[in-house]
Parts: sequence; C-alpha cells; structure tokens
Amino acid sequence: GAVVSQHPSRVICKSGTSVKIECRSLDFQATTMFWYRQFPKKSLMLMATSNEGSKATYEQGVEKDKFLINHASLTLSTLTVTSAHPEDSSFYICSASPSAADTQYFGPGTRLTVL
Amino acid sequence: AQSVTQPDIHITVSEGASLELRCNYSYGATPYLFWYVQSPGQGLQLLLKYFSGDTLVQGIKGFEAEFKRSQSSFNLRKPSVHWSDAAEYFCAVGGGGNKLTFGTGTQLKVEL
Repeated sequence: GAVVSQHPSRVICKSGTSVKIECRSLDFQATTMFWYRQFPKKSLMLMATSNEGSKATYEQGVEKDKFLINHASLTLSTLTVTSAHPEDSSFYICSASPSAADTQYFGPGTRLTVL
Repeated sequence: AQSVTQPDIHITVSEGASLELRCNYSYGATPYLFWYVQSPGQGLQLLLKYFSGDTLVQGIKGFEAEFKRSQSSFNLRKPSVHWSDAAEYFCAVGGGGNKLTFGTGTQLKVEL
C-alpha cells in the first residue's frame, strides 16, 4: 500500500517552454501533497505544500508564478514549470500524505533537463 | 526552526558488518522522526518512523533506530549489512503541517 507515482520519469524540453509533472497517489487519498527539488548529491528542498482544493503554500524563495501547483483531486497534484530555463534542470520529487499529521510517501521522481 | 544534521557524508562498511548512521535534530517540541533510503535516480522509500511510544523503532529490511531525547538523536542501525543496502540515507524531522526537514544524507558504500 501507499504507492505514489510520478509522470513522466524523465523529460527534456527547450528553454522557454512549459513542462507539467503529475503526481498520483494510487491506493490512498492524499489530503496533502508536497513538491521537492533535489540537486545532484544534495538533500531535498521543499518547494511547496498543496492541499486538495486550496492554493499551494510555497516556501520562501520559490517563485509561485514559475512553479504552478494544482491539487485538483485527492489523488492528483501537478507541478508545471513555466518558461523553463536550464537552471530549472533538476530532480523533482513529490510526496503524498493521507493527512496533515501522517507519514509522507514519495514518488519515484522526475528528471527535468532544460536545453 | 527545525533542522537535521547527518555528520557523515560517506560511510563504507564491509558486507556482513554492522552499521550505524548518525542523525541529530533540532526541534522545539516532540518531533516526528523518519529515515528514508534513496537508490540512484529513484524516489525515497520509508525505512522507519518514530511518532511516540517505544523509543526503539523497527523498520523494514532489518533496520532499526533509537530515539534519544537527551541527545537529540535518532541513529539508524543494522546488525549485518548486505550489498543491496548501498544507497543514500536521509534522516528527516517533521512538524506542523507535516512539513519535513531533511538532513544532507549519508552515502553508504558496501564492500564485498
């Protein structure tokens, strides 16, 4: 149980284009979903927290207009990187939690490369 | 503010040897504590967690961790390491709204 999927697993795009990454909880309903960014050989940096049906809460320093997060249902959250640039290249990982005080279950991650 | 320190960036052990990965945290109240493992290019898998109760927590794959409030530590242990345990290990502390703060990770290498 507690499986989280992400799609796509890898994406390469041209600078200036937008990319959407999906995060799904497959066998539970996720009240809360989180988006992280991980740089090579570095820890995970929390980008934002999203609750179903409400606006995401972004961490300090994360541009909300660049990283659009939508949590339209209890099993799906999307992260859209708008007008991507090479510096946005990274490993993006989502997690989902059945409730605000519960364990986070992580997706397999999405490798974004912006050319 | 909450924080996590994993003092060891890299650890190398021989297969069959015991393992201890260190984790120290800073948190204002009783913390929720987690250990996750990440294989190259993969997401994170939960090894074990501590919310309350028994301070010695058993996890998957033969791992255990002990919460020591007096030392603000939550060290991960395994009595006998297998080659497949080679991976990156992250300690994390959680608080309000379930926000997790991760340590910088410990890269475990297993020598055959």
